[in-house]
Amino acid sequence: NAGVMQNPRHLVRRRGQEARLRCSPMKGHSHVYWYRQLPEEGLKFMVYLQKENIIDESGMPKERFSAEFPKEGPSILRIQQVVRGDSAAYFCASSPTESGSSHFGSGTQLSVL
Amino acid sequence: TQLLEQSPQFLSIQEGENLTVYCNSSSVFSSLQWYRQEPGEGPVLLVTVVTGGEVKKLKRLTFQFGDARKDSSLHITAAQPGDTGLYLCAGALAGGTSYGKLTFGQGTILTVHP
Repeated sequence: NAGVMQNPRHLVRRRGQEARLRCSPMKGHSHVYWYRQLPEEGLKFMVYLQKENIIDESGMPKERFSAEFPKEGPSILRIQQVVRGDSAAYFCASSPTESGSSHFGSGTQLSVL
Repeated sequence: TQLLEQSPQFLSIQEGENLTVYCNSSSVFSSLQWYRQEPGEGPVLLVTVVTGGEVKKLKRLTFQFGDARKDSSLHITAAQPGDTGLYLCAGALAGGTSYGKLTFGQGTILTVHP
């Protein structure tokens, strides 16, 4: 049973470009969470999604960031017009229910030049 | 202000020693999870505790959830060099949208010397 799959593992973008991060949850998991880990900081919650619905986006910046979890396919975290401050490790986690334990992927390291 | 205070931040001990890592808060949590994270990788779940006063054991690791569900501890007996790593506590606030919406502590970097 494969774990949470994130790709790409490393993503390099120039300022102003778009970054698209993908997350495939564990089989049977329909709840997806995105976290960001800035250099020298801890993991911070960004957004919680179920299939086709955003449940809680209280941790996501209001501008340039969006997330989706379509009926088919992986969850996508999209960052438009990236800036250097967006450089961080982005982790996705999934759980089978809203009360289930979360399992994390290996993350995407985004570097903005 | 950190919602979940984890201590100590760094811990350097000799093989065979015992150690305890603490996670404290003034807030109540529905559940609390402990993770271990290696450099360049995502956190790996060690345990989830959900009941106040709950104690769980995983080989040489003992996890405890406080009676009031505001604090937790991780105790490692007879530490080994393979225990070296970053340990994270993370809690889901009571009344939150999901157990998966986690607030993380700052982490404890454990180094066990042979």
